[in-house]
Amino acid sequence: AQSVSQHNHHVILSEAASLELGCNYSYGGTVNLFWYVQYPGQHLQLLLKYFSGDPLVKGIKGFEAEFIKSKFSFNLRKPSVQWSDTAEYFCAVSSGGYNKLIFGAGTRLAVHP
Amino acid sequence: AAGVIQSPRHLIKEKRETATLKCYPIPRHDTVYWYQQGPGQDPQFLISFYEKMQSDKGSIPDRFSAQQFSDYHSELNMSSLELGDSALYFCASSLALDSFNSPLHFGNGTRLTVT
Repeated sequence: AQSVSQHNHHVILSEAASLELGCNYSYGGTVNLFWYVQYPGQHLQLLLKYFSGDPLVKGIKGFEAEFIKSKFSFNLRKPSVQWSDTAEYFCAVSSGGYNKLIFGAGTRLAVHP
Repeated sequence: AAGVIQSPRHLIKEKRETATLKCYPIPRHDTVYWYQQGPGQDPQFLISFYEKMQSDKGSIPDRFSAQQFSDYHSELNMSSLELGDSALYFCASSLALDSFNSPLHFGNGTRLTVT
Protein backbone atom coordinates (compact mmCIF):
# COMPACT_ATOMS: atom_id res chain seq x y z
CA ALA A 1 0.00 0.00 0.00
CA GLN A 2 1.09 3.54 -0.63
CA SER A 3 2.23 5.67 2.27
CA VAL A 4 3.72 9.11 2.70
CA SER A 5 6.10 10.16 5.43
CA GLN A 6 6.84 13.75 6.39
CA HIS A 7 9.81 14.02 8.67
CA ASN A 8 9.12 17.26 10.45
CA HIS A 9 5.87 17.83 12.27
CA HIS A 10 6.69 21.36 13.40
CA VAL A 11 9.16 23.81 11.90
CA ILE A 12 9.86 27.29 13.21
CA LEU A 13 11.81 29.76 11.09
CA SER A 14 12.59 33.42 10.99
CA GLU A 15 11.68 35.47 7.94
CA ALA A 16 14.21 35.20 5.09
CA ALA A 17 15.42 31.81 6.28
CA SER A 18 15.51 28.97 3.79
CA LEU A 19 13.01 26.15 4.02
CA GLU A 20 13.21 22.48 3.20
CA LEU A 21 10.44 20.08 4.18
CA GLY A 22 11.09 16.41 3.74
CA CYS A 23 8.69 13.95 2.12
CA ASN A 24 9.26 10.28 1.38
CA TYR A 25 6.78 7.91 -0.13
CA SER A 26 6.57 4.18 -0.45
CA TYR A 27 5.18 2.78 -3.66
CA GLY A 28 6.82 0.60 -6.25
CA GLY A 29 5.06 1.87 -9.32
CA THR A 30 4.61 5.16 -11.11
CA VAL A 31 3.47 7.89 -8.79
CA ASN A 32 2.21 11.43 -9.01
CA LEU A 33 3.42 13.71 -6.25
CA PHE A 34 1.86 16.82 -4.77
CA TRP A 35 2.40 19.43 -2.15
CA TYR A 36 -0.64 21.13 -0.66
CA VAL A 37 -0.74 24.06 1.72
CA GLN A 38 -3.44 24.74 4.29
CA TYR A 39 -3.46 28.27 5.71
CA PRO A 40 -5.14 28.73 9.09
CA GLY A 41 -8.87 28.28 8.73
CA GLN A 42 -8.70 27.67 5.01
CA HIS A 43 -8.96 24.77 2.64
CA LEU A 44 -6.16 22.80 1.07
CA GLN A 45 -4.54 24.52 -1.90
CA LEU A 46 -2.24 22.95 -4.47
CA LEU A 47 1.31 24.33 -4.33
CA LEU A 48 2.86 22.16 -7.01
CA LYS A 49 2.72 18.73 -8.58
CA TYR A 50 5.01 16.28 -10.32
CA PHE A 51 3.92 13.74 -12.91
CA SER A 52 6.91 13.23 -15.17
CA GLY A 53 9.73 15.10 -16.87
CA ASP A 54 11.99 17.59 -15.14
CA PRO A 55 12.34 16.38 -11.54
CA LEU A 56 12.66 19.95 -10.32
CA VAL A 57 9.17 21.37 -10.15
CA LYS A 58 8.35 25.00 -9.59
CA GLY A 59 5.10 25.95 -7.95
CA ILE A 60 3.28 29.02 -6.75
CA LYS A 61 4.58 31.56 -4.24
CA GLY A 62 8.24 30.76 -4.89
CA PHE A 63 8.06 27.13 -3.80
CA GLU A 64 9.80 24.31 -5.61
CA ALA A 65 10.23 20.61 -5.06
CA GLU A 66 12.66 18.02 -6.32
CA PHE A 67 11.71 14.46 -7.14
CA ILE A 68 14.54 12.03 -6.43
CA LYS A 69 13.36 8.65 -7.60
CA SER A 70 16.25 6.71 -6.08
CA LYS A 71 15.43 8.13 -2.67
CA PHE A 72 11.63 8.01 -3.05
CA SER A 73 11.67 11.63 -1.99
CA PHE A 74 9.88 14.81 -2.99
CA ASN A 75 11.20 17.56 -0.74
CA LEU A 76 9.70 21.03 -0.74
CA ARG A 77 11.97 24.06 -0.74
CA LYS A 78 11.80 27.81 -0.61
CA PRO A 79 14.92 29.99 -0.55
CA SER A 80 13.48 32.73 1.64
CA VAL A 81 10.30 32.32 3.68
CA GLN A 82 7.87 35.06 4.63
CA TRP A 83 5.58 35.45 7.59
CA SER A 84 2.66 34.76 5.23
CA ASP A 85 4.03 31.25 4.61
CA THR A 86 2.88 30.25 8.07
CA ALA A 87 0.64 27.28 7.35
CA GLU A 88 0.48 23.51 7.35
CA TYR A 89 2.06 21.72 4.42
CA PHE A 90 0.96 18.31 3.20
CA CYS A 91 2.80 16.03 0.83
CA ALA A 92 0.56 13.66 -1.10
CA VAL A 93 0.87 10.87 -3.62
CA SER A 94 -1.45 9.28 -6.15
CA SER A 95 -0.87 6.55 -8.67
CA GLY A 96 -1.89 6.23 -12.27
CA GLY A 97 -4.25 8.85 -13.55
CA TYR A 98 -6.40 9.07 -10.50
CA ASN A 99 -6.99 11.85 -8.01
CA LYS A 100 -7.26 9.61 -4.96
CA LEU A 101 -4.58 11.14 -2.78
CA ILE A 102 -2.70 9.61 0.10
CA PHE A 103 -1.53 12.39 2.40
CA GLY A 104 1.38 12.64 4.76
CA ALA A 105 0.86 13.72 8.35
CA GLY A 106 1.62 17.34 7.51
CA THR A 107 4.25 19.81 8.66
CA ARG A 108 3.18 22.84 10.58
CA LEU A 109 5.39 25.81 9.66
CA ALA A 110 5.55 28.93 11.77
CA VAL A 111 7.49 31.90 10.41
CA HIS A 112 8.38 34.64 12.84
CA PRO A 113 8.89 38.23 11.65
CA ALA B 1 -14.10 32.03 -9.43
CA ALA B 2 -16.57 29.61 -7.94
CA GLY B 3 -15.09 27.16 -5.46
CA VAL B 4 -16.19 23.98 -3.82
CA ILE B 5 -18.98 24.75 -1.38
CA GLN B 6 -19.57 22.65 1.69
CA SER B 7 -22.40 22.96 4.14
CA PRO B 8 -22.76 23.31 6.97
CA ARG B 9 -19.43 24.79 8.06
CA HIS B 10 -19.89 23.59 11.60
CA LEU B 11 -22.08 20.85 13.00
CA ILE B 12 -22.53 19.65 16.55
CA LYS B 13 -24.25 16.34 17.15
CA GLU B 14 -24.66 13.95 20.03
CA LYS B 15 -23.58 10.33 20.07
CA ARG B 16 -25.85 8.00 18.14
CA GLU B 17 -27.38 10.85 16.15
CA THR B 18 -27.18 11.18 12.38
CA ALA B 19 -25.58 13.90 10.27
CA THR B 20 -25.68 14.86 6.62
CA LEU B 21 -22.86 16.82 5.02
CA LYS B 22 -23.27 18.42 1.64
CA CYS B 23 -20.78 19.26 -1.05
CA TYR B 24 -21.33 21.35 -4.15
CA PRO B 25 -18.46 20.93 -6.63
CA ILE B 26 -17.06 23.55 -8.92
CA PRO B 27 -19.39 23.95 -11.92
CA ARG B 28 -18.72 21.33 -14.63
CA HIS B 29 -16.67 19.19 -12.27
CA ASP B 30 -17.96 15.63 -12.41
CA THR B 31 -15.85 13.98 -9.72
CA VAL B 32 -16.19 14.37 -5.97
CA TYR B 33 -13.94 13.08 -3.22
CA TRP B 34 -14.57 12.99 0.52
CA TYR B 35 -11.76 13.15 3.06
CA GLN B 36 -11.80 13.00 6.86
CA GLN B 37 -9.17 14.90 8.84
CA GLY B 38 -9.08 14.11 12.55
CA PRO B 39 -7.51 16.52 15.04
CA GLY B 40 -3.81 16.83 14.27
CA GLN B 41 -4.02 14.15 11.60
CA ASP B 42 -3.62 14.00 7.85
CA PRO B 43 -6.66 13.85 5.59
CA GLN B 44 -7.85 10.29 5.04
CA PHE B 45 -9.66 9.35 1.86
CA LEU B 46 -13.21 8.12 2.45
CA ILE B 47 -14.96 7.73 -0.88
CA SER B 48 -15.19 9.20 -4.36
CA PHE B 49 -17.77 9.50 -7.10
CA TYR B 50 -17.50 9.97 -10.84
CA GLU B 51 -20.55 10.72 -12.91
CA LYS B 52 -22.85 9.82 -10.02
CA MET B 53 -21.30 6.39 -9.56
CA GLN B 54 -18.99 5.40 -6.74
CA SER B 55 -15.49 5.28 -8.21
CA ASP B 56 -13.36 4.36 -5.21
CA LYS B 57 -13.72 3.57 -1.56
CA GLY B 58 -11.29 4.16 1.25
CA SER B 59 -11.52 3.95 5.01
CA ILE B 60 -15.21 4.79 5.23
CA PRO B 61 -17.08 3.14 8.10
CA ASP B 62 -20.16 1.08 7.31
CA ARG B 63 -22.17 3.62 9.32
CA PHE B 64 -21.43 6.19 6.63
CA SER B 65 -22.89 6.32 3.17
CA ALA B 66 -22.62 8.82 0.36
CA GLN B 67 -24.02 9.53 -3.03
CA GLN B 68 -23.65 11.92 -5.90
CA PHE B 69 -26.77 13.42 -7.40
CA SER B 70 -27.73 14.36 -10.95
CA ASP B 71 -26.51 17.93 -10.43
CA TYR B 72 -23.17 16.45 -9.25
CA HIS B 73 -23.50 17.61 -5.68
CA SER B 74 -22.73 14.97 -3.11
CA GLU B 75 -23.97 14.15 0.36
CA LEU B 76 -22.21 12.22 3.08
CA ASN B 77 -24.64 10.58 5.49
CA MET B 78 -23.34 9.55 8.88
CA SER B 79 -25.38 7.48 11.29
CA SER B 80 -24.89 6.23 14.86
CA LEU B 81 -22.32 8.93 15.39
CA GLU B 82 -19.41 8.20 17.71
CA LEU B 83 -17.07 10.55 19.52
CA GLY B 84 -14.28 9.44 17.19
CA ASP B 85 -16.20 10.80 14.21
CA SER B 86 -15.37 14.33 15.35
CA ALA B 87 -13.24 15.69 12.54
CA LEU B 88 -13.00 18.07 9.66
CA TYR B 89 -14.64 16.59 6.57
CA PHE B 90 -13.29 17.86 3.29
CA CYS B 91 -14.91 17.56 -0.06
CA ALA B 92 -12.87 18.02 -3.22
CA SER B 93 -13.86 18.09 -6.86
CA SER B 94 -12.18 17.72 -10.19
CA LEU B 95 -13.20 17.56 -13.82
CA ALA B 96 -12.29 13.94 -14.44
CA LEU B 97 -10.46 10.99 -13.07
CA ASP B 98 -7.26 12.35 -14.60
CA SER B 99 -5.29 14.19 -11.95
CA PHE B 100 -2.84 15.58 -14.50
CA ASN B 101 -5.42 17.66 -16.30
CA SER B 102 -7.58 18.48 -13.33
CA PRO B 103 -6.06 18.65 -9.87
CA LEU B 104 -8.31 18.50 -6.85
CA HIS B 105 -10.00 21.64 -5.61
CA PHE B 106 -10.89 21.43 -1.95
CA GLY B 107 -13.78 22.99 -0.07
CA ASN B 108 -13.36 24.69 3.31
CA GLY B 109 -14.65 21.63 5.08
CA THR B 110 -17.36 20.84 7.59
CA ARG B 111 -16.20 20.62 11.15
CA LEU B 112 -18.23 17.94 12.90
CA THR B 113 -18.18 17.75 16.67
CA VAL B 114 -19.80 14.77 18.34
CA THR B 115 -20.53 15.18 22.05
